Amino acid sequence: EVQLVESGGGLVQPGRSLRLSCTASGFTFGDYALSWFRQAPGRGLEWVGFIRSKPNGGTTEYAASVKGRFTISRDDSKSIVYLQMNSLKTEDTAVYYCTRGSYNYWGQGTLVTVSS
Amino acid sequence: DVVMTQSPLSLPVTLGQPASISCRSSQSLVYSDGNTYLNWFHQRPGQSPRRLIYKVSNRDSGVPDRFSGSGSGTDFTLKISRVEAEDVGIYYCMQGTHWPPTFGQGTRLEIQ
Repeated sequence: EVQLVESGGGLVQPGRSLRLSCTASGFTFGDYALSWFRQAPGRGLEWVGFIRSKPNGGTTEYAASVKGRFTISRDDSKSIVYLQMNSLKTEDTAVYYCTRGSYNYWGQGTLVTVSS
Repeated sequence: DVVMTQSPLSLPVTLGQPASISCRSSQSLVYSDGNTYLNWFHQRPGQSPRRLIYKVSNRDSGVPDRFSGSGSGTDFTLKISRVEAEDVGIYYCMQGTHWPPTFGQGTRLEIQ
């Protein structure tokens, strides 16, 4: 069974950093691209970024709203994808989800609250 | 960015009746490979989104056949033939043809 489990969320002050993890199981992790999405409280869904599989270059793409502040990386030996979030802003407050491939599997999400 | 516009934004439906949600994109979603990367997601309150439909009309595994997707180019529709109680929640269309992927605003389906 495919599972994605996000962790690392919490309360953080503006300007600080936080790293989210998404631990995968039930599939060959290295074969897939992984994406991050987010959903601000009471709002819709927003794509944050993604990382290609290593055979496809392992490169990353980011939404304009986070480019230069967020970094996605992956550790295929541990089946984990990371979202490093720097210079956090109050508008980054959201539930963050990771997804596999073409978005047919989602984790349960982890809440990030940016507030002083 | 491609703008995705859904209508209606609120959809009260009687149990057993049909429902339809429209999604329009600001540019064609036909990709250079000939595919159209238009997805539909359903999100129940307090849950993660679930993909229902991919590439316009393909149902994901386990999705009841009362759900169907159609459309082409810039106009797409999600139809539910007979609404059941478990169908409440918010429905989103999402395009994956152009970078970055973008979502519609969401349509809230409720039982009236």
